[in-house]
Amino acid sequence: DQQVKQNSPSLSVQEGRISILNCDYTNSMFDYFLWYKKYPAEGPTFLISISSIKDKNEDGRFTVFLNKSAKHLSLHIVPSQPGDSAVYFCAASARSGGSNYKLTFGKGTLLTVNP
Amino acid sequence: NAGVTQTPKFRVLKTGQSMTLLCAQDMNHEYMYWYRQDPGMGLRLIHYSVGEGTTAKGEVPDGYNVSRLKKQNFLLGLESAAPSQTSVYFCASSWTGGGGNIQYFGAGTRLSVL
Repeated sequence: DQQVKQNSPSLSVQEGRISILNCDYTNSMFDYFLWYKKYPAEGPTFLISISSIKDKNEDGRFTVFLNKSAKHLSLHIVPSQPGDSAVYFCAASARSGGSNYKLTFGKGTLLTVNP
Repeated sequence: NAGVTQTPKFRVLKTGQSMTLLCAQDMNHEYMYWYRQDPGMGLRLIHYSVGEGTTAKGEVPDGYNVSRLKKQNFLLGLESAAPSQTSVYFCASSWTGGGGNIQYFGAGTRLSVL
């Protein structure tokens, strides 16, 4: 049972346009959501996160939106750059036994930004 | 500034052979994790540790063992490798579970079992 779903395996956008990556979750106990970026032959790197008590978090060109009622979050990249081409993983954590130390990952979305 | 270092980067094994993957972190993190990534499957947690001397099973622990004898090291062992264990293995570490549990990853070990 997949608790974190990224239904788009791939996305292609033009340089300078907006990239929108989507993520849905089923576990209502998730209280923190993270986005990771992964280049080929490298490990995932943390990009941005959002707590369930917020509906938006912004960091430079990256903004994450959270819609708790729909159990949906999205990552917006504006403007998109060729260097943003990577696999993006959505992840979620739930408080368990006093601390939330396990992340549940989606399958990832391959973003390609064309020059 | 090394962060999380995984050794080796690549390895080819024959079915039935054993090996140990080493993960070392220099950030004084309490928590450490081992994941595997397979095509179309995302990252799946194998085992994790919440502190020196402790280990626990994750989502896909069968066929693997782990040890955390030192805070900075987390070892993943395959006692008898199987082709189904062909994968890319990632180690990660984090301070604690609080604040969203931002995990820092190593570069990965690509393992092929023939």
